[in-house]
Amino acid sequence: EIVLTQSPATLSVSPGERATLSCRASQSFSSNLAWYQQRPGQAPRLLIYRASARATGVPARFSGSGSGTEFTLSISSLQSEDFAVYYCQQYNNWPLTFGGGTKVEIK
Amino acid sequence: EVQLLESGGGLVQPGGSLRLTCVASEFAFSSNAMTWVRQAPGKGLEWVSRISRGGGFSDYADSVKGRFTISRDDSKNTLYLQMNSLRSEDTAVYFCAKAVYDSGVYLYWYFDLWGRGTLVTVSS
Repeated sequence: EIVLTQSPATLSVSPGERATLSCRASQSFSSNLAWYQQRPGQAPRLLIYRASARATGVPARFSGSGSGTEFTLSISSLQSEDFAVYYCQQYNNWPLTFGGGTKVEIK
Repeated sequence: EVQLLESGGGLVQPGGSLRLTCVASEFAFSSNAMTWVRQAPGKGLEWVSRISRGGGFSDYADSVKGRFTISRDDSKNTLYLQMNSLRSEDTAVYFCAKAVYDSGVYLYWYFDLWGRGTLVTVSS
């Protein structure tokens, strides 16, 4: 099973600043990684797939990068609606696994 | 509106059973592979089960294997999760979600449409 470790667990950022979230995998794989945003009480929302492709309707301030064991989600200029929990998910191996999440909170 | 709507959650005693339902609207449900993902209170996401389009293939996380059964009724645009021998550690919000076909052919198990979830509480 591929274990995904997200860091930091909590990220305190001021509106308008940049946020960088990390997802580290216990085994190397190419690009079968997705990122989701989850606001309180809501379902997850797909942001990024194939490590760097933005999903339909996702603003350009969200970008993904990485391959192998190191993946990154960047949010270039945080808006109020971006304060949420973010999860990475690998779909390279079974079982599918998710990271533990990074909470992006207002500083 | 394109959506998934779960129901069937509730309070059940350890050892009991529940059947969750997920109804799909405004998309070709029968053409899509589906999954269940759960989230324990205050915790992260955990994949539970998947089913192919047509229902010919299904798969389960080790934590639920032998206790849960996924199925679908394409005539009703509905996905099911039959949960038996429930344990306290099954307490979670259960989401159904749709997997993605690239060019209608290649299937990728990330999820572009999620329901709002239904809460299952296993407690005496």
